[in-house]
Amino acid sequence: QKEVEQDPGPLSVPEGAIVSLNCTYSNSAFQYFMWYRQYSRKGPELLMYTYSSGNKEDGRFTAQVDKSSKYISLFIRDSQPSDSATYLCAMSTGFQKLVFGTGTRLLVSP
Amino acid sequence: DTEVTQTPKHLVMGMTNKKSLKCEQHMGHRAMYWYKQKAKKPPELMFVYSYEKLSINESVPSRFSPECPNSSLLNLHLHALQPEDSALYLCASSLIIAGGPATGELFFGEGSRLTVL
Repeated sequence: QKEVEQDPGPLSVPEGAIVSLNCTYSNSAFQYFMWYRQYSRKGPELLMYTYSSGNKEDGRFTAQVDKSSKYISLFIRDSQPSDSATYLCAMSTGFQKLVFGTGTRLLVSP
Repeated sequence: DTEVTQTPKHLVMGMTNKKSLKCEQHMGHRAMYWYKQKAKKPPELMFVYSYEKLSINESVPSRFSPECPNSSLLNLHLHALQPEDSALYLCASSLIIAGGPATGELFFGEGSRLTVL
């Protein structure tokens, strides 16, 4: 079993839809949870950073962490074609290397 | 614009060449990283420098040689590479918090796309 599981997609939605992206993990020691967005042929860009459990909102993006279920989510409201990218979840215990999910490719059509 | 700058953006080299990838950041971060990313795969950690000292080497072949000349610069020296080493090489930096660099708020550069012929 991989430490971090993420559906590779692609996930296709129409413009304006609410998008839900998810990751599950097995290591209960993970404390730091991130979502990165990566456009084709570019480096990953940090979108959301959460320590421990709870929700965090930034504009159209909401990150949720449920440590009891070992499950994290990223919600994108009012999705735009410019949101089309690969979304990588990542997590860390704080003292070891960051562990990435495989990434979910999102396609938002006009 | 990313605050981590990588050069060159593209590099094509033969298997006998020696080349270097360069990375620079001016955010005051004291942890710097090299990652390798193949198409449709997540980034794979290669090296971590903390306070200019190599702290993690993920069993990377010796044909890849990292160097951290100062707190703002990170180099990756390449020699006798193989075609399977063709990939996007990403540099990243982060703060060091609570004694460890891996809290995860990594800031990535745009990468150097390497092709080995």
